[in-house]
Amino acid sequence: EAAVTQSPRSKVAVTGGKVTLSCHQTNNHDYMYWYRQDTGHGLRLIHYSYVADSTEKGDIPDGYKASRPSQENFSLILELASLSQTAVYFCASSDAQGSNERLFFGHGTKLSVL
Amino acid sequence: GDSVTQTEGLVTLTEGLPVMLNCTYQSTYSPFLFWYVQHLNEAPKLLLKSFTDNKRPEHQGFHATLHKSSSSFHLQKSSAQLSDSALYYCASLYGNEKITFGAGTKLTIKP
Repeated sequence: EAAVTQSPRSKVAVTGGKVTLSCHQTNNHDYMYWYRQDTGHGLRLIHYSYVADSTEKGDIPDGYKASRPSQENFSLILELASLSQTAVYFCASSDAQGSNERLFFGHGTKLSVL
Repeated sequence: GDSVTQTEGLVTLTEGLPVMLNCTYQSTYSPFLFWYVQHLNEAPKLLLKSFTDNKRPEHQGFHATLHKSSSSFHLQKSSAQLSDSALYYCASLYGNEKITFGAGTKLTIKP
């Protein structure tokens, strides 16, 4: 079974502070994604990456940056955390695009910005 | 733009009754449709995926049929179990774009 590990599992941050969420996959997948989960909005795509050293904007990228230093690692960075960024964040990986695409998710990071 | 709609945010059923969770899509093109399930304190995982040859996907007693005429991919199960309580997401994929998720339906099964 594919393995995607997120750290930390939960975090409390202060408004205006910097937050880094980390994701590590051992699946040898090329594609990695960051989603945020909010009640009533489902899972929304923030950033994604096809290959190391390259990232792409998703549907809601404002206020977030991403970094893919290697195939295995994908980070989400909040330079100036805001109250509205309180949510659960999921990292996912996949090895294909198109009809065969299947996402493997991590267990999520619960972020509370105070 | 292309989107997926799940009309029910919360569904509560009694064990043993049939389950149907609604999912409709809006797109100019025929998409691939998925159902993902997330149990409490677990990661979301793929439950079902539509086929291109009109076969009906089934898994763990759940099935879903892609109806292009009504743009729907409803999730069904004949008899609900307590362990089916979870958050269910319908999702769509168009061409080489990214998977888009609906708002989710929280299913609660009571004894």
